[in-house]
Amino acid sequence: DAKTTQPPSMDCAEGRAANLPCNHSTISGNEYVYWYRQIHSQGPQYIIHGLKNNETNEMASLIITEDRKSSTLILPHATLRDTAVYYCIVRVTGNQFYFGTGTSLTVIP
Amino acid sequence: GAVVSQHPSWVICKSGTSVKIECRSLDFQATTMFWYRQFPKQSLMLMATSNEGSKATYEQGVEKDKFLINHASLTLSTLTVTSAHPEDSSFYICSASISLAGGEQYFGPGTRLTVT
Repeated sequence: DAKTTQPPSMDCAEGRAANLPCNHSTISGNEYVYWYRQIHSQGPQYIIHGLKNNETNEMASLIITEDRKSSTLILPHATLRDTAVYYCIVRVTGNQFYFGTGTSLTVIP
Repeated sequence: GAVVSQHPSWVICKSGTSVKIECRSLDFQATTMFWYRQFPKQSLMLMATSNEGSKATYEQGVEKDKFLINHASLTLSTLTVTSAHPEDSSFYICSASISLAGGEQYFGPGTRLTVT
């Protein structure tokens, strides 16, 4: 079962930062948080992952709270191509991904 | 790098027939592959985990005799939907992981199955 909860939908103005929250209050100490996104009828695309430190790559930043019970994905300058469903996933001990319902992000011109 | 392909990208079959879907890691060796199913407007649901040379591990509620998974090499896994019925119509997605220790999963583009 998914160990994450996310808001079902969010809007963001083009050019602005998109901040997508995720709760994972039952996460265990050695479980990583992964973020993927899925554009309609395509396979999910990897964005970023982390354990406890904040992470940044060319696509996004990941902020994980100190207690690790929640995290936020930040897309610094959202574009129309960032419109997608964003999934926050806790990778369990067996390495499986159990997807939650995700957040449908719509970037508005 | 880390590209996963699926074939076919879409397939239509008649009820009662079997359909095979291939998942290939093109530029890496995948120690573990995963199969997911996604119904319209729903999230991905993990069906099974397969390690090369081993029997697949199915998630609760997934019929192993209906969804046959073979992971014969480090670059190829196949999912066969046997005796397909209209309710099996779905988007099937595979993913591959490089390391047994986990890490990223690289997802294929998906296969749209329609059973008539």
